[in-house]
Amino acid sequence: DTEVTQTPKHLVMGMTNKKSLKCEQHMGHRAMYWYKQKAKKPPELMFVYSYEKLSINESVPSRFSPECPNSSLLNLHLHALQPEDSALYLCASSHPGEGAYTGELFFGEGSRLTVL
Amino acid sequence: GNSVTQMEGPVTLSEEAFLTINCTYTATGYPSLFWYVQYPGEGLQLLLKATKADDKGSNKGFEATYRKETTSFHLEKGSVQVSDSAVYFCALVPNTDKLIFGTGTRLQVFP
Repeated sequence: DTEVTQTPKHLVMGMTNKKSLKCEQHMGHRAMYWYKQKAKKPPELMFVYSYEKLSINESVPSRFSPECPNSSLLNLHLHALQPEDSALYLCASSHPGEGAYTGELFFGEGSRLTVL
Repeated sequence: GNSVTQMEGPVTLSEEAFLTINCTYTATGYPSLFWYVQYPGEGLQLLLKATKADDKGSNKGFEATYRKETTSFHLEKGSVQVSDSAVYFCALVPNTDKLIFGTGTRLQVFP
């Protein structure tokens, strides 16, 4: 059983829609991450929150907007996406290490997004 | 720069065969090394890790040894099962920097 829960598991949206992906963890982790994974590729880092503050934005387009309402929740707000944004979006959490990473991440099962 | 190189897949094996998936790295300083596994339709799971030279990480019958002299962290298992079929990612964390993944190696195990 994964301890990082992501909803929804599947999402189909048009290019003019606004939607959100949600992530929740109850392991007491204070670092949370969004990754994007295209088919047959490794995950690509998008954002890192450390102690509820955005610490890393990997030059992600502004049509992706992250939010960390509290230490257990992480959202990714989606607006005006393009078909090439279709991918598996993975949330992860960890204890913050030196810098932003320890490398020991706990991943959710992902939200598979299709943009029409 | 920092990078991870994995062998191309897919690796196709019969059940109970010996598995090796090669991983080499380039990094400044003394990185920590990891293997993650992604089963079909799931997120990634940390399989094992090693934080310093000559450390051996092990879990679920899988092992990998941190070899600084050859900058390698090869994944091995003595007897694979059909349930081990997945994509395996080698990864590293350089000093005070982000997790870097290799391209992944797909393992297919047939009965």
